[in-house]
Amino acid sequence: EAGVTQSPTHLIKTRGQQVTLRCSPISGHTSVYWYQQALGLGLQFLLWYDEGEERNRGNFPPRFSGRQFPNYSSELNVNALELEDSALYLCASSLKRGGGFMQYFGPGTRLTVL
Amino acid sequence: SQQGEEDPQALSIQEGENATMNCSYKTSINNLQWYRQNSGRGLVHLILIRSNEREKHSGRLRVTLDTSKKSSSLLITASRAADTASYFCATDQTGANNLFFGTGTRLTVIP
Repeated sequence: EAGVTQSPTHLIKTRGQQVTLRCSPISGHTSVYWYQQALGLGLQFLLWYDEGEERNRGNFPPRFSGRQFPNYSSELNVNALELEDSALYLCASSLKRGGGFMQYFGPGTRLTVL
Repeated sequence: SQQGEEDPQALSIQEGENATMNCSYKTSINNLQWYRQNSGRGLVHLILIRSNEREKHSGRLRVTLDTSKKSSSLLITASRAADTASYFCATDQTGANNLFFGTGTRLTVIP
């Protein structure tokens, strides 16, 4: 069974640019979560999508947005990049609540903003 | 903050010793989970303990949960160099729709 995949692996952007990160969940998983992990810190919850809809959002500005496609894959978009957006962006998937809410993580996308 | 906090922030032990990490949280939970993260990579789920459970084992891992103290501990017995990683607790909080991760414990096992 293939795990959660993310692309690209690494990305370098300059301040003010826009970026799109992609995530494919485990087959059969309908929920996708996005987290930001700044260097040396814990995970900060960004967004949760389930069945194509945004279900919950963390304490991040509106320039962080995303969507979930009919095949349950997801994109995270970040507009007007700032230096502090440099981080590891992790995507996770899970079955709907009821399965213990265990999350399976992808390898992450390392974003560097110069 | 709804995040948990791990203690200690960093732990260094010799191979073969036991490692204990603690997690404290602030609200009611449905379950608490422990994850492991190798340097700069994705997290791997280790173990889940439900709010009505007090102790759970998985291989060399032992997790305890004390809901009255809102705390959990992760014990890794007979540690190996390959156990070197960061360990995070995450809480599935009652009424919330996402997991809240702690700040992590960085474990170094010296061969």
